Amino acid sequence: GENVEQHPSTLSVQEGDSAVIKCTYSDSASNYFPWYKQELGKGPQLIIDIRSNVGEKKDQRIAVTLNKTAKHFSLHITETQPEDSAVYFCAASLLVRDYKLSFGAGTTVTVRA
Amino acid sequence: SQTIHQWPATLVQPVGSPLSLECTVEGTSNPNLYWYRQAAGRGLQLLFYSVGIGQISSEVPQNLSASRPQDRQFILSSKKLLLSDSGFYLCACSGQDEKLFFGSGTQLSVL
Repeated sequence: GENVEQHPSTLSVQEGDSAVIKCTYSDSASNYFPWYKQELGKGPQLIIDIRSNVGEKKDQRIAVTLNKTAKHFSLHITETQPEDSAVYFCAASLLVRDYKLSFGAGTTVTVRA
Repeated sequence: SQTIHQWPATLVQPVGSPLSLECTVEGTSNPNLYWYRQAAGRGLQLLFYSVGIGQISSEVPQNLSASRPQDRQFILSSKKLLLSDSGFYLCACSGQDEKLFFGSGTQLSVL
């Protein structure tokens, strides 16, 4: 099955700086890569996703890039703000009817004011 | 877009007691439904998923079971809770767009 590795496990950045989280996946057939943000005591929230026919996607201060050849994808957060502090999870899957996401272990991001 | 209702938000149960967590979904039909568990400070572990009424697949052997009596209702149960069943339980669903959305979770403490 799919194996997703996520780095780093913790990330501390100064407010206004950028944060980058990287994930690698093992199954070259995977074609869907979402990112989730989880605040303390809440369920994960889908913040951005990308499909394998796209190399990059951007939504305001958040962007995701995908390198299918190297089998890795990254989340970029620019101009970080204190409310960006949370745990971020990457995931990968093959989009079929009963698809199941394989999640990374998560990255705890702390934005220092 | 779909809305996931999950309750209760927190639950404290003694060891050996039964468990029933319920999840209902609005805004989509024939969704895939999922139960995940998250231990403190850990990642997301898929417990069960269902592609239709009465169809349940288990990902890991454990003390828990799941049922789907209606199209948009998913129930997580246990006959006798163990200490190791403590954790944050999340219901999730995916619809026609195949994106996965999570509920707000239930924090279960087994004492």
